[in-house]
Amino acid sequence: QKEVEQDPGPLSVPEGAIVSLNCTYSNSAFQYFMWYRQYSRKGPELLMYTYSSGNKEDGRFTAQVDKSSKYISLFIRDSQPSDSATYLCAMTLAGGNMLTFGGGTRLMVKP
Amino acid sequence: DSGVTQTPKHLITATGQRVTLRCSPRSGDLSVYWYQQSLDQGLQFLIQYYNGEERAKGNILERFSAQQFPDLHSELNLSSLELGDSALYFCASSSRPVDEQYFGPGTRLTVT
Repeated sequence: QKEVEQDPGPLSVPEGAIVSLNCTYSNSAFQYFMWYRQYSRKGPELLMYTYSSGNKEDGRFTAQVDKSSKYISLFIRDSQPSDSATYLCAMTLAGGNMLTFGGGTRLMVKP
Repeated sequence: DSGVTQTPKHLITATGQRVTLRCSPRSGDLSVYWYQQSLDQGLQFLIQYYNGEERAKGNILERFSAQQFPDLHSELNLSSLELGDSALYFCASSSRPVDEQYFGPGTRLTVT
């Protein structure tokens, strides 16, 4: 079993929908949590960076971390076709630097 | 554009050969990371350098090595290449040893 699990999708939604992307993890020592967006054949782009539990909002994106359940989420409001990409969650230990990634969820937003 | 640059974009080579991938971090960043992305393994951490010194090592094969130079650019050397080494290789950088990591566009390596 992988340390970080992510449903590979694809997840298909209509434009304007609220999208929910999730990851579960097994290592309770993870402290920093990130979401990256990766377009096909491009480098991952950092969307959200959070520490420990709680919520963080940035524009149309909201990241949630529930350490008690070992579960993190990324919500995208008013989704756009340009949001179509693979979304990768990543996490690292306190004082750590090695990112452990989920396998990614492919999102398709239909106009 | 993250500010991290990688060259070359594509590399096609034969089994048994050796290649060098190059990365320039964002201006001011002292830390460089290398990751490998393959279809079956996903994105995996290989190695980290901070201000010229190796700081962390992940699942990096003995046939692979890296270094960071005084001007902070980094090179990843892959030798005795095998078909299974075909992958996307990403470099990332951050300003501190533990911080947000920004990824470059990657080098696509094809071993034939």
